[in-house]
Amino acid sequence: EAGVAQSPRYKIIEKRQSVAFWCNPISGHATLYWYQQILGQGPKLLIQFQNNGVVDDSQLPKDRFSAERLKGVDSTLKIQPAKLEDSAVYLCASSLERGPYEQYFGPGTRLTVT
Amino acid sequence: GNSVTQMEGPVTLSEEAFLTINCTYTATGYPSLFWYVQYPGEGLQLLLKATKADDKGSNKGFEATYRKETTSFHLEKGSVQVSDSAVYFCALSDPGGYNKLIFGAGTRLAVHP
Repeated sequence: EAGVAQSPRYKIIEKRQSVAFWCNPISGHATLYWYQQILGQGPKLLIQFQNNGVVDDSQLPKDRFSAERLKGVDSTLKIQPAKLEDSAVYLCASSLERGPYEQYFGPGTRLTVT
Repeated sequence: GNSVTQMEGPVTLSEEAFLTINCTYTATGYPSLFWYVQYPGEGLQLLLKATKADDKGSNKGFEATYRKETTSFHLEKGSVQVSDSAVYFCALSDPGGYNKLIFGAGTRLAVHP
């Protein structure tokens, strides 16, 4: 079974530029999550999708971050414009359904904003 | 709000030593509890979980028991190996928050021969 795929693995941009991350979840997984992991901290949920609908985006900085999940499969997370404090690893995860099910994580995208 | 607190690292042990990583939580309702592990250069993966009070999760020689009375979920292993060197994250699934995972800050474990 293929795991969660993410790209790119690394990205370096200057502040005020824009960037996009892509995630392909495990086939058949209805729920998709984007987390932000700042160095030395645990992952923090940014947004959760159930199929192609948003379930929770309460911690997404909506003035600069946006995300979509077209057709309930792949997802993209965009930052525009980026700030220095956005430097982090962005993790995508998926699970079969909403609930206390195991979440499977991708390898992450390490973003550095200079 | 709901939160997870785990002991700070790094934890440095010799091979075959006993491991304990402390984790306590604050939550309303009845969360499920998890330990995730991140090996060097790899993504997060589930190590074990417990879904109700007094449940014991176990995997690869690691164990943790869901203690509601002390709001704890400490990770233990009787004899660590060099290959256990990784960062360990305690997490809870927030039933009032669409079951999103709330993570602790992580504890780095280094095991030397």
